[in-house]
Amino acid sequence: AQSVAQPEDQVNVAEGNPLTVKCTYSVSGNPYLFWYVQYPNRGLQFLLKYITGDNLVKGSYGFEAEFNKSQTSFHLKKPSALVSDSALYFCAVRVPGGGSQGNLIFGKGTKLSVKP
Amino acid sequence: EAGVAQSPRYKIIEKRQSVAFWCNPISGHATLYWYQQILGQGPKLLIQFQNNGVVDDSQLPKDRFSAERLKGVDSTLKIQPAKLEDSAVYLCASSFLPGLAGTGELFFGEGSRLTVL
Repeated sequence: AQSVAQPEDQVNVAEGNPLTVKCTYSVSGNPYLFWYVQYPNRGLQFLLKYITGDNLVKGSYGFEAEFNKSQTSFHLKKPSALVSDSALYFCAVRVPGGGSQGNLIFGKGTKLSVKP
Repeated sequence: EAGVAQSPRYKIIEKRQSVAFWCNPISGHATLYWYQQILGQGPKLLIQFQNNGVVDDSQLPKDRFSAERLKGVDSTLKIQPAKLEDSAVYLCASSFLPGLAGTGELFFGEGSRLTVL
């Protein structure tokens, strides 16, 4: 079965420090990978995606993510965290050609807390 | 460009009552999704429409949940009768094209928070 794992329920970072939010996946075939952010009482907002090509993808708000096929990981990173980055982050995978085309499978989310 | 619109934002009902949620996707988006997000979990797909046809409803509890997308635009998700475990945020999302034909992201509405007492 296809699945996405976010091993950390919460990540705490000091403002100005680099941050990493981890994501691993288990799918057959070559996945499309996504990161979304959710602020309190809001819907999910797209941050970035990996489809093919360069393993390092850059997205909104200074975030980037690195696709590692051998480790089946797609960790989200930012060189310098801001207090405003505090939110819930979801990793998601889409399996091209699957029975539910376009369907996203989400991880359970990681709460990022950035302290001043 | 207007985003995905959902209503109501909040709803509180007693168990065994019914509730309906409405979604208006981004103009021109052919694919519409309803997700259920239970507190502490990631969103889970309930149903996916392509225009006004159902692509996937394998995780929709059909004994109590129903959804329709008349005319391939707006959609309504109904729960009848509601159970305590239906307390969740119901997210609507849309995308221009699904699957292999589109590698684009989904655009989400702000969600409808349901509390069943």
